[in-house]
Amino acid sequence: GENVEQHPSTLSVQEGDSAVIKCTYSDSASNYFPWYKQELGKRPQLIIDIRSNVGEKKDQRIAVTLNKTAKHFSLHITETQPEDSAVYFCAATQGTGFQKLVFGTGTRLLVSP
Amino acid sequence: DGGITQSPKYLFRKEGQNVTLSCEQNLNHDAMYWYRQDPGQGLRLIYYSQIVNDFQKGDIAEGYSVSREKKESFPLTVTSAQKNPTAFYLCATSSRQGPQPQHFGDGTRLSIL
Repeated sequence: GENVEQHPSTLSVQEGDSAVIKCTYSDSASNYFPWYKQELGKRPQLIIDIRSNVGEKKDQRIAVTLNKTAKHFSLHITETQPEDSAVYFCAATQGTGFQKLVFGTGTRLLVSP
Repeated sequence: DGGITQSPKYLFRKEGQNVTLSCEQNLNHDAMYWYRQDPGQGLRLIYYSQIVNDFQKGDIAEGYSVSREKKESFPLTVTSAQKNPTAFYLCATSSRQGPQPQHFGDGTRLSIL
């Protein structure tokens, strides 16, 4: 089955710096890669996603890149702000037909003022 | 997401007791999911349902049961066979057509008395 590894587990940056979180996946059939942000005690919220026919997608300060050959994808946050502090999860689809999501173990991002 | 309601927000279970967590949605999504989240961990899939009257085991189904009698509802029962039930339980829904983002409810925090 699919295995998704996420690094780093914690990331501390200064306000205004960039942050990069990386994930690798094992299933070459994976074709959808969402990223979720989860604040303490709250539900995960989708912040950006990318499909396998696209190499990069950007939404304001957030971007995701996908390298299908290397089976890795990354989340890039520019001009970080304290409100970006949260846990971020990557995920990848597993299987053919009806596809489940397999989640990474999360990255705790701390943005210091 | 506003269209997914989980209840209760907090739940306490006594030894040998079964408890049921509710998940209701008005997004008209066919697919529904239950995840378990332990502190500092990612999301692990317990059960999922693609359509009414059908459901499949996820990665950690032992000690749990579900039903899907209505499109809007996907309750999860944590049985006494689940020896370590303390966790944050998240319900999610998605469209069944192709890889689609999953939308999460606000979760239920279950603890042992």
